[in-house]
Amino acid sequence: KNEVEQSPQNLTAQEGEFITINCSYSVGISALHWLQQHPGGGIVSLFMLSSGKKKHGRLIATINIQEKHSSLHITASHPRDSAVYICAVEGVQGAQKLVFGQGTRLTINP
Amino acid sequence: DTAVSQTPKYLVTQMGNDKSIKCEQNLGHDTMYWYKQDSKKFLKIMFSYNNKELIINETVPNRFSPKSPDKAHLNLHINSLELGDSAVYFCASSPTGVGGETQYFGPGTRLLVL
Repeated sequence: KNEVEQSPQNLTAQEGEFITINCSYSVGISALHWLQQHPGGGIVSLFMLSSGKKKHGRLIATINIQEKHSSLHITASHPRDSAVYICAVEGVQGAQKLVFGQGTRLTINP
Repeated sequence: DTAVSQTPKYLVTQMGNDKSIKCEQNLGHDTMYWYKQDSKKFLKIMFSYNNKELIINETVPNRFSPKSPDKAHLNLHINSLELGDSAVYFCASSPTGVGGETQYFGPGTRLLVL
């Protein structure tokens, strides 16, 4: 079992729908990252958070440290949001070492 | 303008060959990383360097040897390539590598070993 589990693995929705992607982890962490991998392969960092909630445009990320759980929400989804979304966690000590979830493939249909 | 660049983008080679992938960042960051993304799209860290010093060395075969000539460059040399080395290799950098920082990824190098 991976230290970081994401659900769902695949998600298909219609344009405009509210999207939620979940990430659960089993180890103590100092921070959690949400990344986006475009169909072309490039990886972009969306959020880094260690508590509470962050918002950037239509994207919202939340984390509950006690429950070891984070969610990524997309409001008013658009076909250009179609990508793989990856959750990654950093351990509590030492150098920044990311442990990744398996990713969630999101497809938004027009 | 590119923050983190990798060369080459694509690499097709025969089993047993030796190849190198280069990475450069112009962000002034102290820490650089190599990640491997397998055929199932699962990412895993291989190495990290802070200011030319090896910080993280995961359980990677000895055939993989990173080299950092200066803090803006981190190259990956692979000896005696095997079929299982086929993957996408991503370079990344972060300001200090201490933790709680955004990492900036290169475009990836797709390696295919035949």
